[in-house]
Amino acid sequence: ILNVEQSPQSLHVQEGDSTNFTCSFPSSNFYALHWYRWETAKSPEALFVMTLNGDEKKKGRISATLNTKEGYSYLYIKGSQPEDSATYLCALNNDMRFGAGTRLTVKP
Amino acid sequence: DTGVSQDPRHKITKRGQNVTFRCDPISEHNRLYWYRQTLGQGPEFLTYFQNEAQLEKSRLLSDRFSAERPKGSFSTLEIQRTEQGDSAMYLCASSLAALAGPGNEQFFGPGTRLTVL
Repeated sequence: ILNVEQSPQSLHVQEGDSTNFTCSFPSSNFYALHWYRWETAKSPEALFVMTLNGDEKKKGRISATLNTKEGYSYLYIKGSQPEDSATYLCALNNDMRFGAGTRLTVKP
Repeated sequence: DTGVSQDPRHKITKRGQNVTFRCDPISEHNRLYWYRQTLGQGPEFLTYFQNEAQLEKSRLLSDRFSAERPKGSFSTLEIQRTEQGDSAMYLCASSLAALAGPGNEQFFGPGTRLTVL
């Protein structure tokens, strides 16, 4: 992995479904990984800063895990709500490289 | 101070014109970043400042792009001789960088949407 890659590119789920998506990144020279949430017509909003291998962070129904050795992070949303609809971005802190994002749409 | 602000929010210009955008960071933040974002992509890093020092500018897209932060507070991004390919959202973010430890989260402004005709 040379770049920050996110999958899937987009996701449609029903209200109440739990979902997860992936951020893959180069594992060498890792410093920190950031997750952001970007709602349409708003500014990106920071969710988590993850630094240590095995880190798990949680904010309400949203949680994230980090594996720096294999170069991936998962973001989980439990019981998705329509207000969770947004683009979720991850970024490497050391060189400010962002993934293209996962666009989540939660249908009521 | 409620957050990062950017001005203007929208700019329409003709090809070949120069444009300048302004970003006012959160007042106690010492770092300021500029990004470009095009449809379907994540933000693309352009440059950043720590106080008034521009610490990284090698990723500015061309020599038509320049940025300043003369007093370590607000910053301007200028694009000279605009081209249609410069049409994008230009985002500014700020953060408070500690001397040690992981990078702090960035707080983003609403962006300036540039359309080059």
